[in-house]
Amino acid sequence: GAGVSQSPRYKVAKRGQDVALRCDPISGHVSLFWYQQALGQGPEFLTYFQNEAQLDKSGLPSDRFFAERPEGSVSTLKIQRTQQEDSAVYLCASSYGQYDGYTFGSGTRLTVV
Amino acid sequence: DAKTTQPTSMDCAEGRAANLPCNHSTISGNEYVYWYRQIHSQGPQYIIHGLKNNETNEMASLIITEDRKSSTLILPHATLRDTAVYYCIVRALGLNRDDKIIFGKGTRLHILP
Repeated sequence: GAGVSQSPRYKVAKRGQDVALRCDPISGHVSLFWYQQALGQGPEFLTYFQNEAQLDKSGLPSDRFFAERPEGSVSTLKIQRTQQEDSAVYLCASSYGQYDGYTFGSGTRLTVV
Repeated sequence: DAKTTQPTSMDCAEGRAANLPCNHSTISGNEYVYWYRQIHSQGPQYIIHGLKNNETNEMASLIITEDRKSSTLILPHATLRDTAVYYCIVRALGLNRDDKIIFGKGTRLHILP
């Protein structure tokens, strides 16, 4: 497709449930990023892939968060044993080269109840 | 931490030019200035970037001062659809590049009818 696609668009999870959020980047884009955005705040960096290699995961808030991009295209962000503080919009972005701007998806809004 | 300072909010009348300032007094020689915006319920959208020369594209113009310590994003004829949060970001490119972008709090721009 022409843009970055994220699914689901909305997810409601019960506390303690595991969730998986999917990101389909623009075809051919080497770099892929995950961000977390709490209400009223700017996006916060979570992790970065170059092709299938996860080069930076310094922003993942705990070991309950795990991301993968096994074939260098689609990526999944998994959150285990969700907590209320995990409620946020999770944004995925991709880019082709370092000089290019990022293209962001519309995000997945996760609500943990 | 974000390396830029922006006003929290601004108003602009529809049809007028919107001038959004950004201070980046500690910018380094290999750091570019990037602008993104985020319309409500959407992911951030890349607008423009520059190193030291002024830049213009179909969306906006970027004016960078000669000492590169500040810049201004100009939306020449603001419309209601330009109401958004605008993020000014500095990011190193080249050999010692920043692979991720760090968002600050941005400027909430209200376009008034």
